[in-house]
Amino acid sequence: GQQLNQSPQSMFIQEGEDVSMNCTSSSIFNTWLWYKQDPGEGPVLLIALYKAGELTSNGRLTAQFGITRKDSFLNISASIPSDVGIYFCAGPGTSGTYKYIFGTGTRLKVLA
Amino acid sequence: ETGVTQTPRHLVMGMTNKKSLKCEQHLGHNAMYWYKQSAKKPLELMFVYNFKEQTENNSVPSRFSPECPNSSHLFLHLHTLQPEDSALYLCASSQEGVAGGETQYFGPGTRLLVL
Repeated sequence: GQQLNQSPQSMFIQEGEDVSMNCTSSSIFNTWLWYKQDPGEGPVLLIALYKAGELTSNGRLTAQFGITRKDSFLNISASIPSDVGIYFCAGPGTSGTYKYIFGTGTRLKVLA
Repeated sequence: ETGVTQTPRHLVMGMTNKKSLKCEQHLGHNAMYWYKQSAKKPLELMFVYNFKEQTENNSVPSRFSPECPNSSHLFLHLHTLQPEDSALYLCASSQEGVAGGETQYFGPGTRLLVL
């Protein structure tokens, strides 16, 4: 079945550093979503991507829809302590838009 | 109140209990979802409702029973659960039918512990 692999699984970084993470799929997606989940809360949508090659920013966050349509990247610039959390990528499964596939997440810890 | 709300936020129940989780969305969306989030596993889609009709049941055991009385409310009725059902249960909603409308918005979740 379809899978989304995220890397790295976890990372510790110093405050102020830039962060990069990616998500790869075993099949082509026509939508990529990036979510962040804080401890004890539900995921919150950060960025949505709808077109191959698209580069979209949301504040210090920038995400790209890979040209092959099988991957996506999320970058965080000048990280701050509140960036701590788990970052998930997601995309629609082959059975339609209802069945979204989520990655395993990248857990980010920022050291002040 | 805005967004997607879930109650209760935390629940402890025995294996013989019956309880219900409630989700309400204030976004005017047409589709609602239940997900299960276990430690170190991807979010697992359980059920999807679109315009109050169930359109997806992802092979969920019958001890989980969803109910969607209208487009704004979604329930998950629980009975005779097992300890391995302990997890964070997340509700989400989406607009559907419009460009970008498949984007799902999540509630804060109910942390369930089955003893």
